[in-house]
Amino acid sequence: EPEVTQTPSHQVTQMGQEVILRCVPISNHLYFYWYRQILGQKVEFLVSFYNNEISEKSEIFDDQFSVERPDGSNFTLKIRSTKLEDSAMYFCASRDGSSTDTQYFGPGTRLTVL
Amino acid sequence: GENVEQHPSTLSVQEGDSAVIKCTYSDSASNYFPWYKQELGKGPQLIIDIRSNVGEKKDQRIAVTLNKTAKHFSLHITETQPEDSAVYFCAATGANNLFFGTGTRLTVIP
Repeated sequence: EPEVTQTPSHQVTQMGQEVILRCVPISNHLYFYWYRQILGQKVEFLVSFYNNEISEKSEIFDDQFSVERPDGSNFTLKIRSTKLEDSAMYFCASRDGSSTDTQYFGPGTRLTVL
Repeated sequence: GENVEQHPSTLSVQEGDSAVIKCTYSDSASNYFPWYKQELGKGPQLIIDIRSNVGEKKDQRIAVTLNKTAKHFSLHITETQPEDSAVYFCAATGANNLFFGTGTRLTVIP
């Protein structure tokens, strides 16, 4: 069964450094998402991406964040200058764009900012 | 925006008993309500979903009910097993992104 994959599984970085989190959505999917989950809290929407552009973003997704689909398979989330409060699990999700709304989630990347 | 509330935050049941988790939502435009199961260190996995044109949906031991008028929906797990132990999240959406509840940690005691 096709699945969303994410790399790395765990990223440790120093405050102020740039990080890039990578995702490979399910191959025929058209809509892509990033969510984050601070430890012990609920999953929060960051951004959605369709047709090579951002379709929606939350208040969390400020100028420090950017997304890109550099080729036909990868979908990346970049944080330009990490802050301590960016420490969280980051989940990528995708859906196929048909009548179904089902989003399939990857296993997540745990980002730790020191 | 949408606000999803979920109760209880923790739930312990004996193996074989039923478990019920309840959620409410605020945006009457929401029309899709998935439930995700999250095991330790893993991403959310969809277990069942329901759309606003349906009042109830069942898949083996799992069922979901939706009351659009009251804006609440519930997850029912019957004949619980130890492998059902996980954190369960409800979510709602009317457009694109999902709004999640705060999660319920279900523990099934053997």
